[in-house]
Amino acid sequence: NAGVTQTPKFRVLKTGQSMTLLCAQDMNHEYMYWYRQDPGMGLRLIHYSVGEGTTAKGEVPDGYNVSRLKKQNFLLGLESAAPSQTSVYFCASSYETQYFGPGTRLLVL
Amino acid sequence: AQSVTQPDIHITVSEGASLELRCNYSYGATPYLFWYVQSPGQGLQLLLKYFSGDTLVQGIKGFEAEFKRSQSSFNLRKPSVHWSDAAEYFCAVMDTGRRALTFGSGTRLQVQP
Repeated sequence: NAGVTQTPKFRVLKTGQSMTLLCAQDMNHEYMYWYRQDPGMGLRLIHYSVGEGTTAKGEVPDGYNVSRLKKQNFLLGLESAAPSQTSVYFCASSYETQYFGPGTRLLVL
Repeated sequence: AQSVTQPDIHITVSEGASLELRCNYSYGATPYLFWYVQSPGQGLQLLLKYFSGDTLVQGIKGFEAEFKRSQSSFNLRKPSVHWSDAAEYFCAVMDTGRRALTFGSGTRLQVQP
């Protein structure tokens, strides 16, 4: 039982490049989330999903897209990366309590 | 909109001393409240949660928290801190509709020998 896993663990992008972050959970949770963590700001919600095939915007959705084609996976896409998207990205899944993945550290140059 | 305030950015305590980390929330209904801990370079681990019932909740690693509705607070306590407790601590409130969390900005705990 791996819980919540995230790939990759670390990535460096150049401005304008695209990438996809993958989150996978094996707890059969309906709800999944993407947060970003920046120094002194805690975690902020980017997008979330309440079930397979559904997505919704959080507090800081600009510049990101998401997809939930399978219940166990939640993908976060950056179509054209910007330096402001340098951050640590956390995925979580939940029934009532959220369980977090280990994070993806992204550096955009 | 809901919000969480953690007034202390950084706290230093001596090993063996008691600890209290402050958390104040703003939420229109009965809140679901959480404390998470994050070690450097790691993800977030749940320490404890409050949904309803007894206002004093026990968590892992000897932590407890008390929900005080009149003060809109959910402070985290530990009677005797260990060096391994050095980490960053986050308080959060859940939006029960989306089941999404709003986090405070965190309190970094340093433990002196």
